[in-house]
Amino acid sequence: GAVVSQHPSWVICKSGTSVKIECRSLDFQATTMFWYRQFPKQSLMLMATSNEGSKATYEQGVEKDKFLINHASLTLSTLTVTSAHPEDSSFYICSALDVGGRGNEQFFGPGTRLTVL
Amino acid sequence: AQSVTQLGSHVSVSEGALVLLRCNYSSSVPPYLFWYVQYPNQGLQLLLKYTSAATLVKGINGFEAEFKKSETSFHLTKPSAHMSDAAEYFCAVTRNSGNTPLVFGKGTRLSVIA
Repeated sequence: GAVVSQHPSWVICKSGTSVKIECRSLDFQATTMFWYRQFPKQSLMLMATSNEGSKATYEQGVEKDKFLINHASLTLSTLTVTSAHPEDSSFYICSALDVGGRGNEQFFGPGTRLTVL
Repeated sequence: AQSVTQLGSHVSVSEGALVLLRCNYSSSVPPYLFWYVQYPNQGLQLLLKYTSAATLVKGINGFEAEFKKSETSFHLTKPSAHMSDAAEYFCAVTRNSGNTPLVFGKGTRLSVIA
């Protein structure tokens, strides 16, 4: 149990286009999901907290108009990178918090590698 | 605010030797502490977690960690390293209540030498 999927696992796009990344909790409901970004050989940095049915909360320095987050259901959150540029190339990882409360444990997706040409 | 400091960005051990990865935390409230492992181009896999129960926590793949409040530490150990343990390890902290995100350390890359 407690599986989180991400789609796509990798994507290459041209500069200026938009890319949507999906994060799904497959066997549990998640009112809260988190989006992290990881640069090569670095740690995970929280981008935003996604709450089902409400607006996402963005961390300082993260442009909400560039990284659109939608959490329309208890099992799906999406991150859309709008007008992507090469500096947006990164590894994006989502996690989901089980509403059943497994000790505040987050379950991580496998990540999405975004390369912007 | 909460934070985690991982001492040593890179640790190298011989196969069969003790693995010790250090993590110190800072938290104004009782913390939940986690160790995750990440293999190249993959997501995070939970090794073990401390959630205010037993201070010595046993995880998967033979790893364990001890919560020491007096030292604000949560070091990860394994008695005997295996080649398959080579990966990036992250220590993380969060509050023990509420929908709060994890705060990660910078990670420690473990190399295992044959």
